[in-house]
Amino acid sequence: DAGVTQSPTHLIKTRGQQVTLRCSPKSGHDTVSWYQQALGQGPQFIFQYYEEEERQRGNFPDRFSGHQFPNYSSELNVNALLLGDSALYLCASSPMQVNYGYTFGSGTRLTVV
Amino acid sequence: QKEVEQDPGPLSVPEGAIVSLNCTYSNSAFQYFMWYRQYSRKGPELLMYTYSSGNKEDGRFTAQVDKSSKYISLFIRDSQPSDSATYLCAMSEGVGGTSYGKLTFGQGTILTVHP
Repeated sequence: DAGVTQSPTHLIKTRGQQVTLRCSPKSGHDTVSWYQQALGQGPQFIFQYYEEEERQRGNFPDRFSGHQFPNYSSELNVNALLLGDSALYLCASSPMQVNYGYTFGSGTRLTVV
Repeated sequence: QKEVEQDPGPLSVPEGAIVSLNCTYSNSAFQYFMWYRQYSRKGPELLMYTYSSGNKEDGRFTAQVDKSSKYISLFIRDSQPSDSATYLCAMSEGVGGTSYGKLTFGQGTILTVHP
C-alpha cells in the first residue's frame, strides 16, 4: 500500500518564478494538508483541502494557493517566489473523520536562488 | 510567543538510556496531542497521539499529557541508535471526538543515541 507520494523530490527555482508541487494521498484518505518546514524548524500549516475545497488556511500570503482534484490528489502553487520560500514542503493526508492521524510524504525540497 | 515551545536540543544519550522530550503550549483549545519522529530527508512519522490528560504507553514509548500545566512529554525507554532522529510534538484543536485538522508543531528536538 503506497503512502503519500510527492513530486518532485527536489527543485531549484529563481526568485520571481512560479512553482507547482504535487501530492498523491494515501489510499483511502480524502483530506490533504500542506506544510512548510524551514531548516531547523517544525512544519508550519499552509492549508487543508477536503472535497476539492480549502477548509482551513494558515498564516501564509495569497502567493500560496492550492487545488484538490476529484481523485483527492492535490497541488500547491507558489507565485512570485522569494528566497525565504526555500524550505521542505510536506503533504499530509488523512481520512476526514480521523483528522489527527496524518500520514506525511517525504516532501519536496524547494531551493529559491 | 509561540503557541508550542519545544527545546531544540540537541540531545545526546548513550544506548539504553531513558530519554525525556518535552513541550509546553499556551493555547487552551488544543485537545489532541501527538509525537512525530522525523529522520533526515524524510517526512514526519506519527509515533503516538493522545486526547486526554494522563499517560499512554506503546512499547518503549510513553506519552504524557498534563492539560492543567499545558505540558506534554514523550519518554523513550531502552533507547537505541535507531531512535536517533528529530522528535516533533504537534497539537490540534477539537470539540468532542473531532479534531480541527490544523496541526501546530514544536520546533523539534534532535536526538542522537550513541552505541
